[in-house]
Amino acid sequence: KQEVTQIPAALSVPEGENLVLNCSFTDSAIYNLQWFRQDPGKGLTSLLLIQSSQREQTSGRLNASLDKSSGRSTLYIAASQPGDSATYLCAVPSTGNQFYFGTGTSLTVIP
Amino acid sequence: KAGVTQTPRYLIKTRGQQVTLSCSPISGHRSVSWYQQTPGQGLQFLFEYFSETQRNKGNFPGRFSGRQFSNSRSEMNVSTLELGDSALYLCASSLGGVPSYEQYFGPGTRLTVT
Repeated sequence: KQEVTQIPAALSVPEGENLVLNCSFTDSAIYNLQWFRQDPGKGLTSLLLIQSSQREQTSGRLNASLDKSSGRSTLYIAASQPGDSATYLCAVPSTGNQFYFGTGTSLTVIP
Repeated sequence: KAGVTQTPRYLIKTRGQQVTLSCSPISGHRSVSWYQQTPGQGLQFLFEYFSETQRNKGNFPGRFSGRQFSNSRSEMNVSTLELGDSALYLCASSLGGVPSYEQYFGPGTRLTVT
């Protein structure tokens, strides 16, 4: 069974800092990896999808990398803003389209 | 294009009752998955439907059931509610077929069991 771990569990940074969120998974035979953002009490918003054949994906100030062989992905957020405060989750699908989620990193950006 | 919609958004039920939650996927999406999110357990997979067939099921008791209609809309039913069923229930839709497609989540239904 796939296990997904996210480090750190919580992170607090001053506005403007660049930061890195980490995601690791135990089974490297993945189809893709998806990063989500969740605001308190809300649903999940898809941020980036990296296919297994890709090494990175970029969207605005976000950049996600994928290293299948080592079972790791990182989400890089440049020039953080208070509006980036949320919980960030990574997820990988099984063959049955079941997603395995990490426990998330709770990010607080201090103005 | 409209996103994934879930109804109702909030629900309060009493132990022993049953509840039905609804999810309408993005137009053209044929796969709908359901997840339960609680502070202690995180996001846990309930089941996935594709073209009206349940393709995969998580480790939940038989009180949790679902179905998908020909228009891809899906419903989830929980019978004999327990206090521990209080959670945020999320559904996700994708084009389906293979797990390489991006998943899109709805806003969730917050269920409180008293």
